[in-house]
Amino acid sequence: GQQVMQIPQYQHVQEGEDFTTYCNSSTTLSNIQWYKQRPGGHPVFLIQLVKSGEVKKQKRLTFQFGEAKKNSSLHITATQTTDVGTYFCAGLGGSNYKLTFGKGTLLTVNP
Amino acid sequence: DGGITQSPKYLFRKEGQNVTLSCEQNLNHDAMYWYRQDPGQGLRLIYYSQIVNDFQKGDIAEGYSVSREKKESFPLTVTSAQKNPTAFYLCASSTSTGRGEQYFGPGTRLTVT
Repeated sequence: GQQVMQIPQYQHVQEGEDFTTYCNSSTTLSNIQWYKQRPGGHPVFLIQLVKSGEVKKQKRLTFQFGEAKKNSSLHITATQTTDVGTYFCAGLGGSNYKLTFGKGTLLTVNP
Repeated sequence: DGGITQSPKYLFRKEGQNVTLSCEQNLNHDAMYWYRQDPGQGLRLIYYSQIVNDFQKGDIAEGYSVSREKKESFPLTVTSAQKNPTAFYLCASSTSTGRGEQYFGPGTRLTVT
């Protein structure tokens, strides 16, 4: 079945440093979504990427979808303590209706 | 307020008992989902429903059952056959299966001893 691998599992940074998490799928994806889960909370949708090579920005967050639609990344510039949480990617395969989530990257930020 | 509600937030049960987790949405979404979250495991899909009176097994359906008799409700029963039921359970909904953002409820943390 479809697998979505996400690295790193954990990342600890000093406030102001950049952060990147990477997502790789075993199959070509129709779309990829990114979610953020704050400690003790529930996942909240951040963005969806659909097109090959697509790049989207939300303030300090930059999301990319690979040319082959099998990988994606989330980059945060100049992290803040409010960025703390677990970031999940979730991919939709071509022929089914199920999102497959990566295991997430837990980001902690030292003020 | 529109959204998804799950109750209760914390649930404690003895081994061997069935337990039903509630999930209600007033977003008028067709698709609903149940996920299980364990530390370091991400979210794993238990069941999903694309429309009323229809549902499909996800990746880890064994030991669970669901119903979808109303558009706004998608209860999950954790049966005594589920070997390791202690986990954080999340319900979600979306306008269409897979292709739109999923809105998550606050979750129910189930502890079985």
